Amino acid sequence: GAVVSQHPSRVICKSGTSVKIECRSLDFQATTMFWYRQFPKQSLMLMATSNEGSKATYEQGVEKDKFLINHASLTLSTLTVTSAHPEDSSFYICSARNRAYGYTFGSGTRLTVV
Amino acid sequence: ELKVEQNPLFLSMQEGKNYTIYCNYSTTSDRLYWYRQDPGKSLESLFVLLSNGAVKQEGRLMASLDTKARLSTLHITAAVHDLSATYFCAVDEEGGSQGNLIFGKGTKLSVKP
Repeated sequence: GAVVSQHPSRVICKSGTSVKIECRSLDFQATTMFWYRQFPKQSLMLMATSNEGSKATYEQGVEKDKFLINHASLTLSTLTVTSAHPEDSSFYICSARNRAYGYTFGSGTRLTVV
Repeated sequence: ELKVEQNPLFLSMQEGKNYTIYCNYSTTSDRLYWYRQDPGKSLESLFVLLSNGAVKQEGRLMASLDTKARLSTLHITAAVHDLSATYFCAVDEEGGSQGNLIFGKGTKLSVKP
């Protein structure tokens, strides 16, 4: 079956620093990847859609200069939270889409900004 | 704008009882997903419903899809404690052509002995 690997699973960083989260499709090529954010006791909120080799499409209200998304290959997308602040603390989940497997979710990254 | 509504949002039930979670959506789509999320974990795929009238069952869970009514149900039979989790339904934003997934708010299920 399709597997999406997401790293790190947990990260604690200081305010003002940047954090990179990786999302890899291990056994299939992902033409499109999605990044979600989930606050406690809430649903998943789509942040952006990334297509390999092109710029990401950000949802309304998501700062593209703060949440940098790179999808340089068909198996890897990265989300970089720049100049992180405590309000960026959240659970970030990636998802990869492939015509054969549909949607596959990564295991999530718990970001805590102190 | 596609909207996905789940109810109830919270469900406390006793072991051995049956219950149904409902998922309504606002636009035409013939592709609906159900996921389970345990605390601190990511999503686990439960069912993918691909057409009107689709019914799928796995253990004590059964999901169905009525695209004309824009309604999906997740039925729980003889609940056990291990089913305690949050359940999300999600719909393809582009109506089945594999666009973004739009999620419901989730139903937090608590099964008590």
